[in-house]
Amino acid sequence: DAKTTQPPSMDCAEGRAANLPCNHSTISGNEYVYWYRQIHSQGPQYIIHGLKNNETNEMASLIITEDRKSSTLILPHATLRDTAVYYCIARGYDNYGQNFVFGPGTRLSVLP
Amino acid sequence: DGGITQSPKYLFRKEGQNVTLSCEQNLNHDAMYWYRQDPGQGLRLIYYSQIVNDFQKGDIAEGYSVSREKKESFPLTVTSAQKNPTAFYLCASSIVGLAGNTGELFFGEGSRLTVL
Repeated sequence: DAKTTQPPSMDCAEGRAANLPCNHSTISGNEYVYWYRQIHSQGPQYIIHGLKNNETNEMASLIITEDRKSSTLILPHATLRDTAVYYCIARGYDNYGQNFVFGPGTRLSVLP
Repeated sequence: DGGITQSPKYLFRKEGQNVTLSCEQNLNHDAMYWYRQDPGQGLRLIYYSQIVNDFQKGDIAEGYSVSREKKESFPLTVTSAQKNPTAFYLCASSIVGLAGNTGELFFGEGSRLTVL
């Protein structure tokens, strides 16, 4: 599975959009981009995933560049409860669940 | 509500003792997983199971054991052979498609083990 790189930390003002970047320059054609988040001392929570089209759900939007080498998770109106570690994972859909590789992620702090 | 239940939430043990962490799911998922998380780190896979009575080692299986006698349950035993067992342990599950591929992971709330 492709390795992903994320900034270690980011700040965002409450009510503003939080844009979390992820680089996956070695991603292959059948690998999806998944996003999870982990609030302190809780289990990770699935947010969204996509292959090449932009995706949106009730939690967030996922923007994937045309060459698929990077993506951005957008939380449109960040709240204090969005403070968490966000993980970006590139994983082939044909693969088993053991290939979800959770790196250190990005620690997002939403500030009042 | 469907979900994954881990127990206990906090556990203390003395060195040399085995301890078993419970993980139960009512999502009707075939696959289950155990991860370990150390402070400030990502998650590392310990064991996973795609089907009842079968399981595979992950990246850091040494000092751990599991069983999968029922679809709903995947307990993890941290043995005395695990040299640094103090950590946050997370259980997860996922569906398994007809082609053997799996969907996204659903996690429990975790168990924090401290060895005194």
